[in-house]
Amino acid sequence: GNSVTQMEGPVTLSEEAFLTINCTYTATGYPSLFWYVQYPGEGLQLLLKATKADDKGSNKGFEATYRKETTSFHLEKGSVQVSDSAVYFCALSDLSGAQKLVFGQGTRLTINP
Amino acid sequence: GAVVSQHPSWVICKSGTSVKIECRSLDFQATTMFWYRQFPKQSLMLMATSNEGSKATYEQGVEKDKFLINHASLTLSTLTVTSAHPEDSSFYICSARVAGTGNGEQFFGPGTRLTVL
Repeated sequence: GNSVTQMEGPVTLSEEAFLTINCTYTATGYPSLFWYVQYPGEGLQLLLKATKADDKGSNKGFEATYRKETTSFHLEKGSVQVSDSAVYFCALSDLSGAQKLVFGQGTRLTINP
Repeated sequence: GAVVSQHPSWVICKSGTSVKIECRSLDFQATTMFWYRQFPKQSLMLMATSNEGSKATYEQGVEKDKFLINHASLTLSTLTVTSAHPEDSSFYICSARVAGTGNGEQFFGPGTRLTVL
């Protein structure tokens, strides 16, 4: 079945550091890929998405490229801020039937000033 | 656009009572809504898929008689936790998919924290 594996956290960085959170997936066909962010006590917000191979999703300085050959969708940001502290979820949608989302386990990111 | 609300944002109830949580799509029609449960420091667990005008589809291991889902309109789905017990305490999150879109994107509500005493 479909699955998503994220780099284990927690991740702690200093402000202005470079961020990478790894995400790989297993799926049949060509899923859409997403990164969602969850701030404490809140629901999930879509951070970025990519719907086909080689697409690059970007938002708020974050980027991720849909790599079919490596089945990956790694999240990157060149210079993180304290306000980026949150939990990040990688997810895929298989685009069939109910189009359920399959989530990774989440990566907790803490940015220290 | 694509805003999803949940009500209430938190609720505390006594063991044995029932609690209803509402999920609304505020500015779009949602033929499909999803209900998730999240335990502390864990990922989201899909409980059920709710389709407007039809019965919900529950994931394996989720008791349909305990977690009643109703999707009576294109903008409202409700989750009722019947005869709640302390082990039902959790963070419940709903999401909705915009009718007619095919990329699988879901828009999430802010969540409802349920505490059963």
